[in-house]
Amino acid sequence: QKEVEQDPGPLSVPEGAIVSLNCTYSNSAFQYFMWYRQYSRKGPELLMYTYSSGNKEDGRFTAQVDKSSKYISLFIRDSQPSDSATYLCAIHSGGSYIPTFGRGTSLIVHP
Amino acid sequence: DSGVTQTPKHLITATGQRVTLRCSPRSGDLSVYWYQQSLDQGLQFLIQYYNGEERAKGNILERFSAQQFPDLHSELNLSSLELGDSALYFCASSVDGRGDPQETQYFGPGTRLLVL
Repeated sequence: QKEVEQDPGPLSVPEGAIVSLNCTYSNSAFQYFMWYRQYSRKGPELLMYTYSSGNKEDGRFTAQVDKSSKYISLFIRDSQPSDSATYLCAIHSGGSYIPTFGRGTSLIVHP
Repeated sequence: DSGVTQTPKHLITATGQRVTLRCSPRSGDLSVYWYQQSLDQGLQFLIQYYNGEERAKGNILERFSAQQFPDLHSELNLSSLELGDSALYFCASSVDGRGDPQETQYFGPGTRLLVL
């Protein structure tokens, strides 16, 4: 079992939909949770970072962490075609700041 | 634009060959990370350098090596290339890299390597 599991998709939704992207992890030592967005032919860019269980909101994006279930989510409200990208979760334990990445979920938002 | 530059953008070579990938970190960043991204493995951490010294090692093959120079740019050397080495290679940089969990890594645009 990989340390971080993420469904590669693709996930195709209509514009305006609420998108839910998810990752599960196996190592309970993981404490820091990030979501990166990667456009085609570009490097990943940090979208959101969170530490504790619960929700963190930033505009149309909400990151949710459930440490008891080892499950993290990224919600995108009012999705736009410009949100079409691959979303990678990344998790680390804080010791050396070397995150373990999920394989990424490809999201397609069609007009 | 993240401020991290990588050259070349594309590289096509043959099995058995050796290539060098180059990375210039953001101005002021002391730490450089190398990652390999393939369809089947996802984004895999290879190695980290901090101010010229190796800081952490991940799933880096013995055929691969890296270094960070006094001007803080870094090179990743891939030798005895195999078909399976075809992938995207990303460099990232951060200010410090000494374990602050909130420190952001900034990724370059990557080098696409194709081994034929």
